[in-house]
Amino acid sequence: AQKVTQAQTEISVVEKEDVTLDCVYETRDTTYYLFWYKQPPSGELVFLIRRNSFDEQNEISGRYSWNFQKSTSSFNFTITASQVVDSAVYFCVLSYGSARQLTFGSGTQLTVLP
Amino acid sequence: DTEVTQTPKHLVMGMTNKKSLKCEQHMGHRAMYWYKQKAKKPPELMFVYSYEKLSINESVPSRFSPECPNSSLLNLHLHALQPEDSALYLCASSQGSDRANYGYTFGSGTRLTVV
Repeated sequence: AQKVTQAQTEISVVEKEDVTLDCVYETRDTTYYLFWYKQPPSGELVFLIRRNSFDEQNEISGRYSWNFQKSTSSFNFTITASQVVDSAVYFCVLSYGSARQLTFGSGTQLTVLP
Repeated sequence: DTEVTQTPKHLVMGMTNKKSLKCEQHMGHRAMYWYKQKAKKPPELMFVYSYEKLSINESVPSRFSPECPNSSLLNLHLHALQPEDSALYLCASSQGSDRANYGYTFGSGTRLTVV
């Protein structure tokens, strides 16, 4: 079965704090993709990063960084020096199967206070 | 053009109405998807079209009828909906099997209210 768990339902931080969003996934597929998407109040899903199951290299992009660990089936996301504009729901997403359908985690509501 | 365009952005319909949601992309993506998202919940897959053929129907009620007239266009026909069908309907497309470039592009969604 495919499953994505985001244990943190809501996180609230003060601007300029660092924050890490946790994601744990389950899949029997040997080839899969993991994504992080951001959904601001306006509703659109904004792509942040993709990782495939063969690439465990961690990545930093500006204030964002990602830690992918196959050994623990985790794909965590860190925002450094958070800003109010980072306030949104963040989804960790697993892509699997021949049709590459997506399984979403339940999402983490991040609120960054000024 | 790197967008998925959904129309309308907002729709209010009565339970006896027939309406359609439209989704369009010109990125050459051969897989297109409909997702339904209720408030404070993650999106849930409804339908997948691959090369203009329906490949997955996640046991969606027949009052939702998808259509893929061509590789750039995806419609969702609505008929006799219930108030509990009120949600954000998201369309997405994907690039397929190229590992280096694989990804999804989502539209901004249609907020549907059934009264």
